[in-house]
Amino acid sequence: KNQVEQSPQSLIILEGKNCTLQCNYTVSPFSNLRWYKQDTGRGPVSLTIMTFSENTKSNGRYTATLDADTKQSSLHITASQLSDSASYICVVKGGGSQGNLIFGKGTKLSVKP
Amino acid sequence: DAGVIQSPRHEVTEMGQEVTLRCKPISGHNSLFWYRQTMMRGLELLIYFNNNVPIDDSGMPEDRFSAKMPNASFSTLKIQPSEPRDSAVYFCASSLDSAGTDTQYFGPGTRLTVL
Repeated sequence: KNQVEQSPQSLIILEGKNCTLQCNYTVSPFSNLRWYKQDTGRGPVSLTIMTFSENTKSNGRYTATLDADTKQSSLHITASQLSDSASYICVVKGGGSQGNLIFGKGTKLSVKP
Repeated sequence: DAGVIQSPRHEVTEMGQEVTLRCKPISGHNSLFWYRQTMMRGLELLIYFNNNVPIDDSGMPEDRFSAKMPNASFSTLKIQPSEPRDSAVYFCASSLDSAGTDTQYFGPGTRLTVL
């Protein structure tokens, strides 16, 4: 069964610290993997999209990694800011139609001063 | 561009009533997606359109749900009759291409409460 599992479910860190969020998937065939940031009460915003051949992609202080062999991805946030408090959602697109998207439940990150 | 526009932002209705959610995608985008988000199930894709044509509606929960895209700048998601378990936030998103590698831009969502 195609699944996307994210860990941890929630995380609290102090401002300025780094953190890493995990995403494991069992989707096959694999097309691409996306990380979204969703602020409370708003729609998700795309951070990165990675295809099979990409190992790392950065977007400012956000760096996503992908290991297609082990079917794992991580999102690393450097020097966290209060505005990083949000839910981070991992989404894997399988083969076939564009609608074949499998969503993780998200990691809720709280950055405290 | 103003981004993806959804209306209404909040909707409270009684069980059995018809609900219509509206979406205006970003101009020039040719793919449009409807999602539902709940605490229990997270984000779920309901249906998506490409060039105004429904391509995959396998996520639509049941016949009470229907979606239309009469033109490139407007789409509706209708629930008739509504039930309390339909309470959720409904998002519309659009993207430029149909290959599945392009960024999807989400609207602000419609929070639906069915009493």
